[in-house]
Amino acid sequence: GAVVSQHPSWVICKSGTSVKIECRSLDFQATTMFWYRQFPKQSLMLMATSNEGSKATYEQGVEKDKFLINHASLTLSTLTVTSAHPEDSSFYICSAATVGLSSYNSPLHFGNGTRLTVT
Amino acid sequence: AQSVTQPDIHITVSEGASLELRCNYSYGATPYLFWYVQSPGQGLQLLLKYFSGDTLVQGIKGFEAEFKRSQSSFNLRKPSVHWSDAAEYFCAVIVEYGNKLVFGAGTILRVKS
Repeated sequence: GAVVSQHPSWVICKSGTSVKIECRSLDFQATTMFWYRQFPKQSLMLMATSNEGSKATYEQGVEKDKFLINHASLTLSTLTVTSAHPEDSSFYICSAATVGLSSYNSPLHFGNGTRLTVT
Repeated sequence: AQSVTQPDIHITVSEGASLELRCNYSYGATPYLFWYVQSPGQGLQLLLKYFSGDTLVQGIKGFEAEFKRSQSSFNLRKPSVHWSDAAEYFCAVIVEYGNKLVFGAGTILRVKS
């Protein structure tokens, strides 16, 4: 089945540094990738939607300058947390929609998430 | 705006007992509904989905869900729970003309032996 690989699975960084998270669709092409953030014991909150070759669409309240999203190819999207602070510590999950099929017929495939801890 | 409500934050069942996790949605048109399971520190795995047709949907791992339009519900069921089913379960709805999933708050399932 379709696999989405997310890397790294966990990362610890110092406050003020930037962290890049990669999301790859391994055996299919994904025109659309989604980035979610999950706080402890809470649900997933959509941060942004990225379409290959175009700018990402951010949800209300998400700082686009802080969470940089790049979707340069049909198999790779990256999320960069810039100038990270402890409040950015969270679990980040990406998902990808299969190209060529109705979005309603193709379940979104999720990565295994990245645990970010900012010290 | 569409929303998904999972009334139960935690549920504990005995191994071998039946399970029902509740999900209610708020959406005017026909929703596209999903159930996902998440193990600790992991991503989400799709259990089942409903788009149209038969309102009783069969999924993986012995799970099923029934869409009831009159009750705006899409409850997840399993006749006999296994200890490996302990995880967090999310109900989600997709916007009719988009790809966005809106998730419920999740229900943590604990299985006692």
